[in-house]
Amino acid sequence: DAGVIQSPRHEVTEMGQEVTLRCKPISGHDYLFWYRQTMMRGLELLIYFNNNVPIDDSGMPEDRFSAKMPNASFSTLKIQPSEPRDSAVYFCASSSKGTGGNQPQHFGDGTRLSIL
Amino acid sequence: AQKVTQAQTEISVVEKEDVTLDCVYETRDTTYYLFWYKQPPSGELVFLIRRNSFDEQNEISGRYSWNFQKSTSSFNFTITASQVVDSAVYFCALSEASRAGYGKLTFGQGTILTVHP
Repeated sequence: DAGVIQSPRHEVTEMGQEVTLRCKPISGHDYLFWYRQTMMRGLELLIYFNNNVPIDDSGMPEDRFSAKMPNASFSTLKIQPSEPRDSAVYFCASSSKGTGGNQPQHFGDGTRLSIL
Repeated sequence: AQKVTQAQTEISVVEKEDVTLDCVYETRDTTYYLFWYKQPPSGELVFLIRRNSFDEQNEISGRYSWNFQKSTSSFNFTITASQVVDSAVYFCALSEASRAGYGKLTFGQGTILTVHP
């Protein structure tokens, strides 16, 4: 079975440019999460969706960040305008509600973003 | 607020040694879930185990074992007879079952494990 698919794997762009990260969750999963990983702050939850609806975006650092989930098989995380401090690895993860409580999240391979 | 602490930043062992990774957590919820993830040098995050707060039985899976103790709010991970392929960053994480916290993972800072041949 296909896992969570993220694209691109690497992105290098100049400060001020718009960056769009993409994620395809595992089919049938109804939760989708976006995380950011940096050396200084570790793994941080940015936003998550349930059934395509944003549930909690309290981790989104500022208005330059936005996320959408137009359908059950696709989500985007956009940064506009990008800044050097946005450089990080961005992970997308998905999980099913299932029974018996919180199911494990399955992560994509991540997008390594470098803003020059 | 929930919090996960992995006090060991880095651990270095020689192959075949046993190694224990510590994890201590804080939560106000009575129902919660604990997880361990592995991040090898290639960078992906691999799910290892989930444990709910009502199940304090220890678990063994091959060379891996987990010791969950609610009394000390700890969920430690032991690798027996470590191998070079175990070298990775290991993350402990917590998820609360309450409506506000449902599904959200709070990660510890991670422990870098290096196994030398």
